Parts: sequence; C-alpha cells; structure tokens
Amino acid sequence: GQQLNQSPQSMFIQEGEDVSMNCTSSSIFNTWLWYKQDPGEGPVLLIALYKAGELTSNGRLTAQFGITRKDSFLNISASIPSDVGIYFCAGTMNTGNQFYFGTGTSLTVIP
Amino acid sequence: SQTIHQWPATLVQPVGSPLSLECTVEGTSNPNLYWYRQAAGRGLQLLFYSVGIGQISSEVPQNLSASRPQDRQFILSSKKLLLSDSGFYLCAWSVWSGQGRLGTEAFFGQGTRLTVV
Repeated sequence: GQQLNQSPQSMFIQEGEDVSMNCTSSSIFNTWLWYKQDPGEGPVLLIALYKAGELTSNGRLTAQFGITRKDSFLNISASIPSDVGIYFCAGTMNTGNQFYFGTGTSLTVIP
Repeated sequence: SQTIHQWPATLVQPVGSPLSLECTVEGTSNPNLYWYRQAAGRGLQLLFYSVGIGQISSEVPQNLSASRPQDRQFILSSKKLLLSDSGFYLCAWSVWSGQGRLGTEAFFGQGTRLTVV
C-alpha cells in the first residue's frame, strides 16, 4: 500500500517550545489529515486539509497542504504538557475510500 | 451528531478461542467502515474496509475476517486466535464529504486492547 513518511519519529521538547513535524508521500493526495492519539485511546482528528496550499489553524495547531500535494506539515506553538501523545498524518487519494497513515511522531513535553 | 461505539474496551482471550469485536455508528447513513490494527502504539495497519452492507475488502491475508450485517455495524471475527493477533484494534468510519471536497475524514472509536494468552 501507499507509504507515508512521517518525521521525526519522536521529539522531546521543553514546555513552551514550538514543534514542527511533516509527512511526505510519493503520490498525490487529495486530502491531508492530522490526528493525535493519547495512550489507550483512538486517534482524534485535529485538522483536515483539502486544497493544495491550504493553511488551516486549530488553536495552537497549524497545518498546511503542500503545493505539490505530496506533503503536509503540522506546527504546534507554545507546547504544553497535554500536547503529549502520538501525532499521525493521513491522506486520501481518488475516491477517498482508503486512508493512508504515517508511522507517527511521538511527542514528549518536559515541564 | 455522529458517534461511533466500539466494544469491548479490553479483552484477554486464550490461543485458539474465537473472537468477535463489534463497532456501530450512529447519526449517519451508508458510512465507509474500517478496521485497523495498531501494534506497540504506532503504525495503523488497515485490515478491512467496507463501502456498504455485505461489501468487505481485505487488505492483508490474516487469521481475521470482517462482516457488515447492517449499514452501521461492522464486526471483526476470528475462529481461532493466534498469539500474533494481540494488539490494539480500532474501528473507524467516514463519509464522502461532497460539496467540492475531493477527500474525506475518518473518525475513530475508542479501540479494543486484545491480549491473546
């Protein structure tokens, strides 16, 4: 299946720092999605992007749909302890029946 | 609003026993439904997806099967569990957004932690 390369794999940052992670694919995607997963829970949708170049914010989170439609990034500003978790990118192609997921970025925020 | 229910939350089963995990969606019609498995807290592996009643697509050969007896019900089953079936199982749903959007969004249940002993 389609592979999404997500980086970095893990991050350890101080509270208050900004965070940036990205996701790339070898194919063109029609939708880019960013999820956060807390331990023992299902992933929760944070931001959905639908157009190349689209920049969308959700509170301290900002995500962009790359111009080439093969990448996306997620920024978190002024991190807080509750930002801890695993962040996944995901995308859809064509009909949108299948979702392709990145391998996740594990974020640890040190108070 | 739409909600997804997945149960049980945790399950410990002996090797060779059968399995049945259930997922139901409320507040939407004709959703796409998905079963994912997640090992060690990373990497979502798509197991099955369904675009309608009785329509199941399998992504990987395995010891599991899926069924969709009703529009908003998706069941993951096994006749005989293996140790390697242990993991975190997630059900998800999506609908075609329309209105000029070419893509759509997936929403996940709370997951089932399966331990095969």
